[in-house]
Amino acid sequence: EPEVTQTPSHQVTQMGQEVILRCVPISNHLYFYWYRQILGQKVEFLVSFYNNEISEKSEIFDDQFSVERPDGSNFTLKIRSTKLEDSAMYFCASLPADLDYEQYFGPGTRLTVT
Amino acid sequence: GENVEQHPSTLSVQEGDSAVIKCTYSDSASNYFPWYKQELGKGPQLIIDIRSNVGEKKDQRIAVTLNKTAKHFSLHITETQPEDSAVYFCAASHNDMRFGAGTRLTVKP
Repeated sequence: EPEVTQTPSHQVTQMGQEVILRCVPISNHLYFYWYRQILGQKVEFLVSFYNNEISEKSEIFDDQFSVERPDGSNFTLKIRSTKLEDSAMYFCASLPADLDYEQYFGPGTRLTVT
Repeated sequence: GENVEQHPSTLSVQEGDSAVIKCTYSDSASNYFPWYKQELGKGPQLIIDIRSNVGEKKDQRIAVTLNKTAKHFSLHITETQPEDSAVYFCAASHNDMRFGAGTRLTVKP
């Protein structure tokens, strides 16, 4: 069964450094998402991406964040200057062609900012 | 924007009993309501979903009900088993998906 993959599984970085989290969505999917889950808290929506542009973003997704689909397969989340409070699990998700269908989640990247 | 409230935050039941988790949402435009199960160290996995044109949906031991007028929906798990122990999240979606805070379900053998 096709699945969403994410790399790395765990990223440790120092405060102020830039990080790029990578996702490979399911190949025929058209909508792509990033979510964040701080340890022990709820999953929070960050951003959705369709047709090579951001379609929705939350209040969390400030100027420090950016997303890109640099080629036909990868979908990346960049944090320009990480802060301690950016430490969380980051999940990528994708879905085929209808906003009202199941989103397929990747296994997540654990980001630790020290 | 959408705000999703979920209760209870923790739920402990005996194996074989039923478990009920409830959620409310604020945006009447939301039209898709999935439930996710999250096990330790893993991403959320969809277990059941319901769309706004349906009031109830069942899949084996799992059922979801939706009351659009009251803007609430519930997850029902019958004949619970220890492997049902996990964190469960409800979500509501219109243009983006907002999650509830999660319910940690523990099923005691």
